Amino acid sequence: AQSVTQLDSQVPVFEEAPVELRCNYSSSVSVYLFWYVQYPNQGLQLLLKYLSGSTLVKGINGFEAEFNKSQTSFHLRKPSVHISDTAEYFCAVSDAGGYQKVTFGTGTKLQVIP
Amino acid sequence: DGGITQSPKYLFRKEGQNVTLSCEQNLNHDAMYWYRQDPGQGLRLIYYSQIVNDFQKGDIAEGYSVSREKKESFPLTVTSAQKNPTAFYLCASSISADHNEQFFGPGTRLTVL
Repeated sequence: AQSVTQLDSQVPVFEEAPVELRCNYSSSVSVYLFWYVQYPNQGLQLLLKYLSGSTLVKGINGFEAEFNKSQTSFHLRKPSVHISDTAEYFCAVSDAGGYQKVTFGTGTKLQVIP
Repeated sequence: DGGITQSPKYLFRKEGQNVTLSCEQNLNHDAMYWYRQDPGQGLRLIYYSQIVNDFQKGDIAEGYSVSREKKESFPLTVTSAQKNPTAFYLCASSISADHNEQFFGPGTRLTVL
């Protein structure tokens, strides 16, 4: 069974500074990887996904993530954050092919400090 | 606009009462899901449905029930058997069960008094 670890529960960062939110997964097979964002009292919105192909994935709102198979990681990055990026971010993984359950991490709260 | 709607946004119930949460989608998606979200625990799968008139238990199905009589609707009933029902409930859908990108509704916050 796969699992997802988000190492940081909270990440404070100053506005216009870069940020990296870490995500590691475990799985014995090929995987699909996702990052979602959740604003307070709202549902989740997909930021980006890795299904196959290029290991550098670009998403919405200037975010990108890099799939590293050898390190089983899928870290999320943004070169310059804005106040509006304050939210909770969830990494998710599923085994590739057919119906496979999506497993979500416990989330990282990004707090952008003005 | 296509999307997923959940109602109500906030729901209060007395302990021992059953309550039904609504989830409707107009995306023409085959698969639908219910998750429970608690602080610091991420999302946990309650039930999912790959197609109309079919559904399977997720990781934490005890105390919950669902139905899938129509493609666009997947209501969740929280029964009195659920020991700790206060939580944020999220409904999601995907094009098909093996299309893993899920689209989420805005959620319902259930508080049991």
